[in-house]
Amino acid sequence: SAVISQKPSRDICQRGTSLTIQCQVDSQVTMMFWYRQQPGQSLTLIATANQGSEATYESGFVIDKFPISRPNLTFSTLTVSNMSPEDSSIYLCSAEAQGNTEAFFGQGTRLTVV
Amino acid sequence: QKEVEQDPGPLSVPEGAIVSLNCTYSNSAFQYFMWYRQYSRKGPELLMYTYSSGNKEDGRFTAQVDKSSKYISLFIRDSQPSDSATYLCAMSSDSSYKLIFGSGTRLLVRP
Repeated sequence: SAVISQKPSRDICQRGTSLTIQCQVDSQVTMMFWYRQQPGQSLTLIATANQGSEATYESGFVIDKFPISRPNLTFSTLTVSNMSPEDSSIYLCSAEAQGNTEAFFGQGTRLTVV
Repeated sequence: QKEVEQDPGPLSVPEGAIVSLNCTYSNSAFQYFMWYRQYSRKGPELLMYTYSSGNKEDGRFTAQVDKSSKYISLFIRDSQPSDSATYLCAMSSDSSYKLIFGSGTRLLVRP
């Protein structure tokens, strides 16, 4: 299994500001993903972080709002830009060693926008 | 209709009971099935991973997949208060690496 570390674990931010969340995996992985989980809800995929190229975004999510970097096979960042209270959520990083195998998750970043 | 349906619960059982958690799905192309456990304020933790149909057992946990009925189950034997958490099913197909999650079932095991 892969161990995924996310930071920060939580933050309270002012509206209009941006927050960058970091995700570090303890081994090289093929696929990395970013999810959002609203309180009491299931996980919604934001985007797939591609190493060396632009991320692939799901419907309803755009690069200007959620820019993603993936400089190598063990690290990715998600930025939540120009935040509003509606962005308050848990953001989760996930990784798979290769497609369609077990996916592992970080502990999540709990974001509150005030 | 959602691709994956899961009863949100909460499901409350006494300690020692056998718990049955279920998901139904509509996409017959799904081949990979997973169960995650999520404690409050934590990330999902992979419990069971199954490919195609059949059963898989790991300690007190048994995962079943019935592709003909598009129905998957997770059984927990001798449930413990420490099993109290939200359980999420997830699945994907050969043609897509994306995981589709159920909404999660909240389980409470009473001492």
